[in-house]
Formats: sequence, structure tokens, C-alpha cells
Amino acid sequence: EAGVTQFPSHSVIEKGQTVTLRCDPISGHDNLYWYRRVMGKEIKFLLHFVKESKQDESGMPNNRFLAERTGGTYSTLKVQPAELEDSGVYFCASSHFSTENTEAFFGQGTRLTVV
Amino acid sequence: AQSVTQPDIHITVSEGASLELRCNYSYGATPYLFWYVQSPGQGLQLLLKYFSGDTLVQGIKGFEAEFKRSQSSFNLRKPSVHWSDAAEYFCAVHSGAGSYQLTFGKGTKLSVIP
Repeated sequence: EAGVTQFPSHSVIEKGQTVTLRCDPISGHDNLYWYRRVMGKEIKFLLHFVKESKQDESGMPNNRFLAERTGGTYSTLKVQPAELEDSGVYFCASSHFSTENTEAFFGQGTRLTVV
Repeated sequence: AQSVTQPDIHITVSEGASLELRCNYSYGATPYLFWYVQSPGQGLQLLLKYFSGDTLVQGIKGFEAEFKRSQSSFNLRKPSVHWSDAAEYFCAVHSGAGSYQLTFGKGTKLSVIP
């Protein structure tokens, strides 16, 4: 069974450009999460999808970030326009259930560098 | 709001030596606690978790962790470290109660000397 897959693994863009990150969750997992780790800081929650609906987007930093999950399968996270402080590693995770004792499986992350 | 503190940013141990990585949490109720590991080029992998019951939990790769409510700690241990354990380790807490976010510590990077 394939794990959580993220594309691309690395992205270097200039300030002001747009970048779209993609996450393919484990097949059958209704719950999908985005997290971000800015260098030297904690991994922080961004948002949680249940199927195609946003269950919790309290961690989204501002309106330059747009997450979608059309059809309840893969998800995209778009940053437009990108700023220097958006640099970091973006992790996606998925789980079958959303209860607190459920394990979330993480992807390898996308390292975003904004120059 | 809950928080997780990993006081050690970087630890170096010799292969075969014992290991203890510290984790303290701040949360009012009974927390759901996790340890994840990230090896180079890999995603986060769950090592072990604590929800209730026995306060000493066993995980994969020979790791264990002990929940101590009085100290608000959930330290990770391994009796004998292998070179392949070199990685970054993250402690996390899940608040439960309808919130499905994980709150992570800053991570501890482990280096292993042959």
C-alpha cells in the first residue's frame, strides 16, 4: 500500500511567485492534514480536511494560502504570492478516522524555499 | 493552549550507549502523547503513543517512553543506540476533545558516533 505522497519534494521560487504543493493521501483516508515547519521552529498545524470539507483551518497563516481537496482525494496547497517567511517544510498527513487515538501517517514533506 | 517542550536541540551519543530524549508538555487534561521520528529524506514515522493505561509504552525499533503525570513528562528511551537511529525526534500532544491537531515540540536531532 502506498503511503502519503507529496509533490514536489523541493521547490525554489522567487518572492511574489505562486507555488502549488500537492498531497496524495493513503487511499481510503477521509482525513487529510497540512502542517508546516519553519526553520528552527515547531511543526505547526495548518488545516484539516474531512473528505472535501475543511474541518479546521485555524492554523492557516493568512489569505495568501489556499488549500483545496476537490473530490475528497488529493489536496493542493497554493501560496500566492509567496513571501520569504513562507519558506519551510510543508508536511501532509492522512488518517482513516479523526478520533484522538488515530494514527496520522505523514508524507516526506515539500521543502519550499522563497528567495 | 497546550505546548510541548523538548529542551535538547541536539544530542550526540556513541553507538551502543543508552539514550533518553526529554519531552515536557503543558495541558490541563489527560493528554494523548506521541513520539515521531524523521530520518533524512523520510516522512515522520510514529514510534509510539500513549493514551491511557500502563504508563510505560513500548514502540517500534526498540524504543519505549514513560508517561509521568506528576512531572508532565513523556521521555523517550532506548537502552542501546544503533547508528541507524540517527534522526530527528519529535514529541507531540493531541488535545482530543474534538480537536484533531497535533502540537509538536521543536525536535531533538540525534547524532550517533560509531
